[in-house]
Amino acid sequence: AQTVTQSQPEMSVQEAETVTLSCTYDTSESNYYLFWYKQPPSRQMILVIRQEAYKQQNATENRFSVNFQKAAKSFSLKISDSQLGDTAMYFCAYPRSGAGSYQLTFGKGTKLSVIP
Amino acid sequence: DTGVSQNPRHKITKRGQNVTFRCDPISEHNRLYWYRQTLGQGPEFLTYFQNEAQLEKSRLLSDRFSAERPKGSFSTLEIQRTEQGDSAMYLCASSLTPTIYFGEGSWLTVV
Repeated sequence: AQTVTQSQPEMSVQEAETVTLSCTYDTSESNYYLFWYKQPPSRQMILVIRQEAYKQQNATENRFSVNFQKAAKSFSLKISDSQLGDTAMYFCAYPRSGAGSYQLTFGKGTKLSVIP
Repeated sequence: DTGVSQNPRHKITKRGQNVTFRCDPISEHNRLYWYRQTLGQGPEFLTYFQNEAQLEKSRLLSDRFSAERPKGSFSTLEIQRTEQGDSAMYLCASSLTPTIYFGEGSWLTVV
């Protein structure tokens, strides 16, 4: 069974600084996707960034980038120039494909607090 | 793109009552998912539809839970004879590709 592990339950970062959130996963597949989602307090789950495993280049979306290490099954999220609006729960997710589904398995999440 | 829409956003019900949640996915998305999320946890998969066919159900989906997606458009999730343990946020999501988009969720409190 696929598992997703986020080993940092809580983190904090000073505004404008950089923070890295860790994620490891387990899979026997060779081609797959990985996702980071952000969930602000009492608000919607929002896609932050997506990585396709067959691409060697790490995905980047503005201040968000990933460090994808396929052999190590590691998928960390780096947030540069942290802003107060980045305060949220961050979930790493892996989609299990089967029956045409892309059912996501989520990690337990990392609660990020950006401190002014 | 109107996004995934869910209603009601909040529901408080007495134990033993039935509740129904509705989800309107992004219009061109053929895949629709229901997840459950409790405080401080990541979402857990409940069930999946491709068009109108319910193709997967989690073991979390007890006999008191039923989901439908008539005509492959909106979906409903009904919980019968609610229990306090059903208190959670019920998330709907939809996709056309491997990227899944979530609604704002429906909070259920069973008292």
